[in-house]
Amino acid sequence: AQSVSQHNHHVILSEAASLELGCNYSYGGTVNLFWYVQYPGQHLQLLLKYFSGDPLVKGIKGFEAEFIKSKFSFNLRKPSVQWSDTAEYFCAVSSGGSYIPTFGRGTSLIVHP
Amino acid sequence: GAGVSQSPRYKVTKRGQDVALRCDPISGHVSLYWYRQALGQGPEFLTYFNYEAQQDKSGLPNDRFSAERPEGSISTLTIQRTEQRDSAMYRCASSLPGTSGTYEQYFGPGTRLTVT
Repeated sequence: AQSVSQHNHHVILSEAASLELGCNYSYGGTVNLFWYVQYPGQHLQLLLKYFSGDPLVKGIKGFEAEFIKSKFSFNLRKPSVQWSDTAEYFCAVSSGGSYIPTFGRGTSLIVHP
Repeated sequence: GAGVSQSPRYKVTKRGQDVALRCDPISGHVSLYWYRQALGQGPEFLTYFNYEAQQDKSGLPNDRFSAERPEGSISTLTIQRTEQRDSAMYRCASSLPGTSGTYEQYFGPGTRLTVT
């Protein structure tokens, strides 16, 4: 069974700081990769996804993630965070032919104004 | 259009009681998923449907848990004889079918279940 590891459970930053959240997975075959975000009081929603092609994926609100196959990683980045980025972030992975993602345990990000 | 809705949003029940959690997916979405999320953890897959057919129920923890989607739209997750360890957020998501997982799941607000 595949597993997903998110290394940082809690991250606290000041506005304008750069962000990188780690995500590693265990599956060795073709994968589909996702980052989901849950803002306070809101639903879980898709931030960005990777299926194939350019390993650098750009999502909403200035977020991007890079798929590095050799490292089994899909880290999330943002050059300059804002207070409104305060949220819970989840990395998820599904194997190539599966509709069912495995989620990491999430990273709680707090951005101080 | 309307998103995925779930009801009730909060449910407190006594140990041993049965509960039914409802999910109303986005209109036209073929696939419907149920997840359970414990505090401090990510969502954990329970089961999913395409139309009214239950495609995979491998994530249901035991036979106290069951789900149905009789008309291919609204789904109900039922937990019989609830136990305290069933306390969690139960999330529903729906999606259009895609090829090889190239889909986006749209999540509802979840039902927070507390078993006392």
